[in-house]
Amino acid sequence: IAGITQAPTSQILAAGRRMTLRCTQDMRHNAMYWYRQDLGLGLRLIHYSNTAGTTGKGEVPDGYSVSRANTDDFPLTLASAVPSQTSVYFCASSATNTGELFFGEGSRLTVL
Amino acid sequence: GQNIDQPTEMTATEGAIVQINCTYQTSGFNGLFWYQQHAGEAPTFLSYNVLDGLEEKGRFSSFLSRSKGYSYLLLKELQMKDSASYLCAVRDSNYQLIWGAGTKLIIKP
Repeated sequence: IAGITQAPTSQILAAGRRMTLRCTQDMRHNAMYWYRQDLGLGLRLIHYSNTAGTTGKGEVPDGYSVSRANTDDFPLTLASAVPSQTSVYFCASSATNTGELFFGEGSRLTVL
Repeated sequence: GQNIDQPTEMTATEGAIVQINCTYQTSGFNGLFWYQQHAGEAPTFLSYNVLDGLEEKGRFSSFLSRSKGYSYLLLKELQMKDSASYLCAVRDSNYQLIWGAGTKLIIKP
């Protein structure tokens, strides 16, 4: 059972470039989330989706967009990357919006 | 504003007991989670409390007092593999998770 798969695991890109982080889950969970984790800070929610076809903004949504065309996939796009978006990005899912979260292995993104 | 406080770092000895505290101020309360995160890895679920009291799961226990906005994670019979960060998170009235910055636990032989 794969659980949640994120790709790429690591990426370096130039400022101004467009980047999509992929996230796929095989647990048929309704809710999915994108977080960023920075040293000394708690996980911060970027965007979420409570069910396929719906998305919502989290705590730090600016500069990011998401889509939820189906239950399994929840890609995160940086339209024009900036150095402050250098971070580790975690995708997560839960069966409901009240349950425990299952996390992917993370995507380490460096914007130069 | 919403706030989760936990110590930045703690050190304990192999075989001993350690208590990691978490205090919170959130708009509403719909449960408190503890997650473990080893360096360079994803967080993994440890425990969930929604009612006051102690939840025990093997070597790990978690306590909650909603009136005090307080929780702790108790780790017994510490092992070297318990060296990790421990994240406290509270689900608020909008069912969003508010995360603490995590407590880095260092286990010494």
